[in-house]
Amino acid sequence: EDQVTQSPEALRLQEGESSSLNCSYTVSGLRGLFWYRQDPGKGPEFLFTLYSAGEEKEKERLKATLTKKESFLHITAPKPEDSATYLCAVQATLTQGGSEKLVFGKGTKLTVNP
Amino acid sequence: NAGVTQTPKFRVLKTGQSMTLLCAQDMNHEYMYWYRQDPGMGLRLIHYSVGEGTTAKGEVPDGYNVSRLKKQNFLLGLESAAPSQTSVYFCASSYPRDFGGPTDTQYFGPGTRLTVL
Repeated sequence: EDQVTQSPEALRLQEGESSSLNCSYTVSGLRGLFWYRQDPGKGPEFLFTLYSAGEEKEKERLKATLTKKESFLHITAPKPEDSATYLCAVQATLTQGGSEKLVFGKGTKLTVNP
Repeated sequence: NAGVTQTPKFRVLKTGQSMTLLCAQDMNHEYMYWYRQDPGMGLRLIHYSVGEGTTAKGEVPDGYNVSRLKKQNFLLGLESAAPSQTSVYFCASSYPRDFGGPTDTQYFGPGTRLTVL
């Protein structure tokens, strides 16, 4: 069964204090790994898609990396506006009768204090 | 582009009542999905559609029905609401690479918060 585990569940940082969020996964065959940001009361907002081990993507203060077993979301010099819940999801390789479904982790709630 | 929109934003039902949630996308995406999000559970797939006129069951389909009569719309129905269906419902859409699209990324709507009393 495909599974995604995110750690930590919650993280408090001071403004400017860099850190990383972890997403460990087990999947029969990885088709893609996705990072989303979710603000309270809103829908998940797409951040990154990673398709193969070794791939990295950056956007402002965020950098996502991927290995064969896990992904990291690195946050460099965070600001209070980076406070949100960050969701990781994996998509398994399509098999006969399979779907394009995403399997989500429970998320990491990040709080950045000024 | 409005992206993915959902109607209504909030709804309160009594047990046994029925309702339909509407999802619309203006990105010409082939695939559409309905997820529910519950505290401590993460997002779970209810039903999905790979094109106009098609639907399929996801991980937690019981108690829900769906229809995709037009490519841009995906409806989620609750025939007889139960308190266990209290949740936040998200619609998403995508145009996967295997079907000629640029990316497998799913784009989400703003959600519908449903309470069943």
